[in-house]
Amino acid sequence: DIVMTQSPDSLAVSLGERATINCKSSQSVLYSSNNKNYLAWYQQKPGQPPKLLIYWASTRESGVPDRFSGSGSGTDFTLTISSLQAEDVAVYYCQQYYTTLYTFGQGTKLEIK
Amino acid sequence: EVQLVQSGAEVKKPGESLKISCKGFGYSFTSHWIGWVRQMPGKGLEWMGMIYPDDSDTRYNPSFQGQVTMSADKSISTAYLQWSSLKASDTAMYYCARQLRYFGFDPWGQGTLVTVSS
Repeated sequence: DIVMTQSPDSLAVSLGERATINCKSSQSVLYSSNNKNYLAWYQQKPGQPPKLLIYWASTRESGVPDRFSGSGSGTDFTLTISSLQAEDVAVYYCQQYYTTLYTFGQGTKLEIK
Repeated sequence: EVQLVQSGAEVKKPGESLKISCKGFGYSFTSHWIGWVRQMPGKGLEWMGMIYPDDSDTRYNPSFQGQVTMSADKSISTAYLQWSSLKASDTAMYYCARQLRYFGFDPWGQGTLVTVSS
C-alpha cells in the first residue's frame, strides 16, 4: 500500500494569512506515461462529505477559489491557502489514486487563530 | 447536476444485517466506478472498495475483504453496501463517491451514518 502522511496534524492560522499543509507519499505517484501526479486534495467541513479541491496535484476543480493551490511532484506535495477565510475552516485530506488501492492521508485540521 | 444520494441513517444491534444504498443522478451511472469510504467517529477516511455498475466488477481493500459486500443494480442507478452480521466497530459514517480515474473522487454522497449498539 502507498502510505500518505500529512503534516501538521492541526494548524491554526490568522484570517488573511497563508496556510500550508504538507503531504508525503511512501512511493512516487508520478505516472511516467503522462507526467501526471495522481494526487488529490479534499476539504471536509464539519457535518459534510469531503469535497474535491485539487487533482493531478495542482489542478483546481471547477469552482474552487484561486486562493487554493497545490504543488509538488513525486512523493512530496503541498496545499496552500494564500489568504485564509473563515469558511476555510475544515479538515483537509490528500489522497493518492496512482494505485487502485486508494489511500488517504490522516487529515489536517485547519482552524482560525 | 451530478449527484449521489444515499439512504438514511440506521441504528442496528450487533449481529443484525444491513444494506445501505447510493443512487446516482445526472450522469451515466454505468460509466464510472463507485467507491465506498468509511469514516469512523472523529477519524479519517478509509477506502473500502469499489464496484463498476455496468458489470458489477468489484474490488475490495484487503482490510475490508470478507467484512462487507458491494453490489449494484444498474437498472435503477444504485449501488449497495451490505453487512451480514454487524459489529459495534462498524459504527461509522459511510460515503459513496464516483471515482474518476484521472481526477479523484467526485462527487460524494451525503453519507449514511450507521450506529451499531446493543
